[in-house]
Amino acid sequence: EPEVTQTPSHQVTQMGQEVILRCVPISNHLYFYWYRQILGQKVEFLVSFYNNEISEKSEIFDDQFSVERPDGSNFTLKIRSTKLEDSAMYFCASSATSGPPQYFGPGTRLLVL
Amino acid sequence: AQSVTQPDIHITVSEGASLELRCNYSYGATPYLFWYVQSPGQGLQLLLKYFSGDTLVQGIKGFEAEFKRSQSSFNLRKPSVHWSDAAEYFCAVGNNNAGNMLTFGGGTRLMVKP
Repeated sequence: EPEVTQTPSHQVTQMGQEVILRCVPISNHLYFYWYRQILGQKVEFLVSFYNNEISEKSEIFDDQFSVERPDGSNFTLKIRSTKLEDSAMYFCASSATSGPPQYFGPGTRLLVL
Repeated sequence: AQSVTQPDIHITVSEGASLELRCNYSYGATPYLFWYVQSPGQGLQLLLKYFSGDTLVQGIKGFEAEFKRSQSSFNLRKPSVHWSDAAEYFCAVGNNNAGNMLTFGGGTRLMVKP
C-alpha cells in the first residue's frame, strides 16, 4: 500500500538555525500539506500546496516558514530561524486531485534547544 | 469557524468490551468527517470517513462511526476491543475541496486492560 514517508524521524537543532523537513507524498497525489502537533496540543494545519503554489495557509505559517517541491517526488518544509516554540511533531500529508481524504506520514519530531 | 471537540481525553476499557469515542463538530456547511488513529511512534492512519449517504460508515480494524447531523456528532464505535487498539484517536472535519485544511479534535487516548 502506498505511504507518505518523512525524513528525518527526529531532529534536534539550536534556536536560530534553519531546518528542512522532507516528505515524499504518495506518488499519484497532487495536493500536499503540512500539519504540526505541539506536545499535548491539537494537530494544527500549517499549509496546503498544489501545482507549485500555496493553496491555503494558517496564521501559524508566517514568514519564517516556506514550502517547496524541489523535484518530482519530494515536498519540503523549511523553517528559516527556529524558535523554541517550533518544537513539535510535523506531519506531512497528501491527497488525490479528487479531494479528501488526506493520508499522513509518520511525522518528524523537531526539538529546538 | 470550524471546530472539533473530543470530550474524553483518556478512556480505559477492558479487552473484549465495547468502545465508543465521542466527537462533536461545528461546521458551517456539509462536513466531511474523519477518524484517524495514531499508534506510538506512528503517523496518523485513516480509520474511516463520512462524505454523504448512509450515516453509518464502516472502517478498517472493525471500527464504525455514525454521523448524526441533529447532534453534530460523529462517534466512533467498536463492538469488541483488542489490546492492539490501544492508541490515540483523532476526529477531524473538512470539506470536499481538494487542498482544504482539516481541523482536528484534541484526541482521545485509549488504553486497553487485559
